[in-house]
Amino acid sequence: TAGITQAPTSQILAAGRSMTLRCTQDMRHNAMYWYRQDLGLGLRLIHYSNTAGTTGKGEVPDGYSVSRANTDDFPLTLASAVPSQTSVYFCASSDLTSAGVNTQYFGPGTRLTVL
Amino acid sequence: GQNIDQPTEMTATEGAIVQINCTYQTSGFNGLFWYQQHAGEAPTFLSYNVLDGLEEKGRFSSFLSRSKGYSYLLLKELQMKDSASYLCAVIDSNYQLIWGAGTKLIIKP
Repeated sequence: TAGITQAPTSQILAAGRSMTLRCTQDMRHNAMYWYRQDLGLGLRLIHYSNTAGTTGKGEVPDGYSVSRANTDDFPLTLASAVPSQTSVYFCASSDLTSAGVNTQYFGPGTRLTVL
Repeated sequence: GQNIDQPTEMTATEGAIVQINCTYQTSGFNGLFWYQQHAGEAPTFLSYNVLDGLEEKGRFSSFLSRSKGYSYLLLKELQMKDSASYLCAVIDSNYQLIWGAGTKLIIKP
C-alpha cells in the first residue's frame, strides 16, 4: 500500500508563477490536510478537508487554495508564488472517528523554493 | 493564544535514557501526540495520550499530566537511529492539531 504520495518531490519556481502540489492517498481516509514546515517553527496548517466536497482554512491560508473533488486527492495551488512561500510542504490524512481521535499520516513532502 | 513548548535540541549517549518534555497551553484538550521525524523525511506517529499516566511501547514511553499541561517522551536504550526530531502536538477544543516546533535529538556514540 502506497499510503500518501506527493508530487513533485522538489521544485524551484519563479516568483509570480503558479503551481499545484499534488497529494493522493489510498487509505480511504475522510480527512486531509496541508502543512508547511519551516526551520524553527512547528508544522503550520494551511488548509484542511474533513470530507470530500468540503474544505476549511487553517492557520496560514493566504496565498493558497485547495479543492477536494474526491476522497483520494487534495491538491494545493499557489496562484502567484512569493519567496516567503519557500518551504517544505506536507500533505497528511486521517480517519476521523466519532470520538474525534485524529492520528494523522504524512506524505513524503514537497520541497519548494520560490526565487 | 495557544502554545506548545519543547526544548530545541538535546544530546544523549548511545545506550542511555533521554526524556523529552512538552508543556502546552491550548484552548481545550482532546489528546496529545508524539511524532518522530528524521531529517528530510515525513513525521511518523509514535504515541497518543488522552488520559493521565504512562503509556509504554517498547523502548518508547509517553507520559501525560493534564492538570499540569505536561507530557514527556522517554526513550530507553538509545540507538543511533533514534537521532531525529520529536514533535509534540495537542488536539484542541476544535479538534485541530497544534504542533510544537520539535526537539532535535542528537545521539553520540
